[in-house]
Amino acid sequence: QSALTQPASVSGSPGQSITISCTGTSSDVGGFNYVSWYQQHPGKAPKLMIYDVTKRPSGVSNRFSGSKSANTASLTVSGLQAEDEADYYCTSYTSSSTLVFGGGTKLTVL
Amino acid sequence: EVQLVESGGGLVQPGGSLRLSCAASGFTVSSNYMSWVRQGPGKGLEWVSLIYSGGDTRYGDSVKGRVTISRDNSKNTLYLQMNNVRAEDTAVYYCARGYSSGWNFDYWGQGTLVTVSS
Repeated sequence: QSALTQPASVSGSPGQSITISCTGTSSDVGGFNYVSWYQQHPGKAPKLMIYDVTKRPSGVSNRFSGSKSANTASLTVSGLQAEDEADYYCTSYTSSSTLVFGGGTKLTVL
Repeated sequence: EVQLVESGGGLVQPGGSLRLSCAASGFTVSSNYMSWVRQGPGKGLEWVSLIYSGGDTRYGDSVKGRVTISRDNSKNTLYLQMNNVRAEDTAVYYCARGYSSGWNFDYWGQGTLVTVSS
């Protein structure tokens, strides 16, 4: 199972919006509405930000939103804040009943 | 309060074995999907294994046949038995609790470092 494809890095200024893409295949992203996004700060465990493509767990800011079109999922962070600077990973359930992660995207807040 | 505490990491020689433990509190391991996720030094996250609440198991391709996920309901603890380890197994290993579909992870441990080296 190949890793999902994410851009290595994205950046934006405070207050701006950014979008991180996550591209897979019809056997994972495109085949199921089980895409999640995690935020990871250095030295910390990941934190669930989005699940089932568009849902936010309790306590996650509504500045974070998710979407999907065909084999590509996206995470949008609006109103960028300094604390949003972190690594972001997407995941998808697969047709093999396994889970695949994306390679990760480093978000820099300028 | 939900807590996950991993232990059992350390230095192991190539070809050796190691058992990781994840002690849970605040919820019942056997009632949830539970997973192991690892992160190599300076690398991204990689899903390793999952155990369903019913007991069935799933494994990633890179570890299939070399690791076994299990749980002890009486101890409310999750395990990962690692055999025939390779240098590429060097990573921080996290246990995580499944959420919603079970394939999302809402609680994570702090991780335990496994280093494979001679």
